[in-house]
Amino acid sequence: DAGVTQSPTHLIKTRGQQVTLRCSPKSGHDTVSWYQQALGQGPQFIFQYYEEEERQRGNFPDRFSGHQFPNYSSELNVNALLLGDSALYLCASSPVRGRVGINSPLHFGNGTRLTVT
Amino acid sequence: LAKTTQPISMDSYEGQEVNITCSHNNIATNDYITWYQQFPSQGPRFIIQGYKTKVTNEVASLFIPADRKSSTLSLPRVSLSDTAVYYCLVASNSGNTPLVFGKGTRLSVIA
Repeated sequence: DAGVTQSPTHLIKTRGQQVTLRCSPKSGHDTVSWYQQALGQGPQFIFQYYEEEERQRGNFPDRFSGHQFPNYSSELNVNALLLGDSALYLCASSPVRGRVGINSPLHFGNGTRLTVT
Repeated sequence: LAKTTQPISMDSYEGQEVNITCSHNNIATNDYITWYQQFPSQGPRFIIQGYKTKVTNEVASLFIPADRKSSTLSLPRVSLSDTAVYYCLVASNSGNTPLVFGKGTRLSVIA
């Protein structure tokens, strides 16, 4: 049974470009959350999706957007990339609809390392 | 959202028991305490979750005093492979509250 898978594993982009990151949740999970982790910091919550809608959002600008598909997979899009967007982007899934981590721990992928030059 | 405070780093020798304490003075009645482990270039991995008293699984134990204002993650007989960052999180089971990670505790296990 595959866990959370993310693609690509590494990505290099130039300032101003746009990027799309992809996530497939663990089998049986319907809720997907995205986190940004800068070097030496803990993961920061970006947003959460279930039933193909954004349900919660952290303190991130509108340049960060997402999508969830009927098969529960998800994409994170970042427009107008800044140098400060360089980070590890983590996707996490949960089997409890809309409930992130409560009595149902999050399962994280290994992330996409984004470097903006 | 309850704020958590934990040591920035800890060192331990192989074979020792390691206890990492987390303070969460503003924990609410509906809040659970959860610990995650993260290795470099990997996503965090769930270790243990509890509400009160003691919880034990095959990996660790979690001790929560009656006032629930702190909790202690106990790792028995650590090995080099336990070198990682450990995060303490507090989250509510009422409503849809995203998990808030702090900077975690960097545990270094020395041979």
